[in-house]
Amino acid sequence: GAVVSQHPSWVICKSGTSVKIECRSLDFQATTMFWYRQFPKQSLMLMATSNEGSKATYEQGVEKDKFLINHASLTLSTLTVTSAHPEDSSFYICSARNFHSLNTEAFFGQGTRLTVV
Amino acid sequence: GENVEQHPSTLSVQEGDSAVIKCTYSDSASNYFPWYKQELGKGPQLIIDIRSNVGEKKDQRIAVTLNKTAKHFSLHITETQPEDSAVYFCAASERNTPLVFGKGTRLSVIA
Repeated sequence: GAVVSQHPSWVICKSGTSVKIECRSLDFQATTMFWYRQFPKQSLMLMATSNEGSKATYEQGVEKDKFLINHASLTLSTLTVTSAHPEDSSFYICSARNFHSLNTEAFFGQGTRLTVV
Repeated sequence: GENVEQHPSTLSVQEGDSAVIKCTYSDSASNYFPWYKQELGKGPQLIIDIRSNVGEKKDQRIAVTLNKTAKHFSLHITETQPEDSAVYFCAASERNTPLVFGKGTRLSVIA
């Protein structure tokens, strides 16, 4: 399958600081990238959908000013957690799809474990 | 919107036995149904998927069946091995819409 690289795989930051997570599709062009959050032993919760060159669409209850998403190219999307608080600690996962092709499979990154202290 | 129910939440099988995980979906417009395997601390890995124009798909020890009328689909793993132990998620979507995931099934294969 296609490769989606997410970086970093884990990060620890202090409360009040910002953290940027990168998601790259290495071998295909991702027209759309999705950002998910996953709590322990739970399913993936969609946070936002981003199309290349457009503003992200956020799910209900997700603060767009806190979780800044940029999708500047067909291979890169970033999620920035601003003014992080301990309750933002979670596992964040990106997914990439190409809706302009016949194959619209969703491939996921390795995830980023964020711990805010 | 779409709602996906997944059962069971946990499943333990003896090595070599088969495992079956079932999902139902609510939106008849959904036409894409992937299954993902997630190991601890990692992102989900696509293991098999099926589209609404077929009823069954098989890849070695893994198979997926789809019943559009009943709006349910199932994952079948035969000859299970300890390395099959993981959390499995089903999902559903229409074309060009986000995947909606089930709550996951924790599969344990006992050697």
